[in-house]
Amino acid sequence: DAGVIQSPRHEVTEMGQEVTLRCKPISGHDYLFWYRQTMMRGLELLIYFNNNVPIDDSGMPEDRFSAKMPNASFSTLKIQPSEPRDSAVYFCASSPGAGGYTFGSGTRLTVV
Amino acid sequence: SQQGEEDPQALSIQEGENATMNCSYKTSINNLQWYRQNSGRGLVHLILIRSNEREKHSGRLRVTLDTSKKSSSLLITASRAADTASYFCATDAREDDGSEKLVFGKGTKLTVNP
Repeated sequence: DAGVIQSPRHEVTEMGQEVTLRCKPISGHDYLFWYRQTMMRGLELLIYFNNNVPIDDSGMPEDRFSAKMPNASFSTLKIQPSEPRDSAVYFCASSPGAGGYTFGSGTRLTVV
Repeated sequence: SQQGEEDPQALSIQEGENATMNCSYKTSINNLQWYRQNSGRGLVHLILIRSNEREKHSGRLRVTLDTSKKSSSLLITASRAADTASYFCATDAREDDGSEKLVFGKGTKLTVNP
């Protein structure tokens, strides 16, 4: 298995633009998580899905952030409009449950 | 929200010494996990200890868990310069609806000097 695949690896965008981050979880994993990592706040859980259904989105900073999981093999995290304070590394992780989390390599987002 | 709190925030030691990092948490957990992150890289899973376990070993790593004190420690023995990284504890808790989520602490930055 190729692991959790995130794209793009790096994204630089201008303030106000829409940004879409993508994640392909490991096949057979029922859980998918989106995290954001910054120096100030560390690793924050934004949202997670179980069997493609969003379970807890209380970590999503505001309405500019949205996440979808249209099927078991794909998820997106969208920021519209983007702001400089959204600059961070965004990680996707998947798990079959009962531990065993695998993280992707992350997307480094810079909003200028 | 942060669940685990690592201590210390930063640790600098000499190669060959042991490194101990501690983690405290607040709620009941299914398991506790330790991850490593090299600068600018992704997270790598190191070890998982379940709530009914007290100690676990993996190579030079030793993890303890005290659920009565809601704390865990990660010991790296005979440290090497390549162990330089940030180390995070993460708690895996079951929600009321039966789902699970992993919540991270802020990490300990370990520097091993050659």
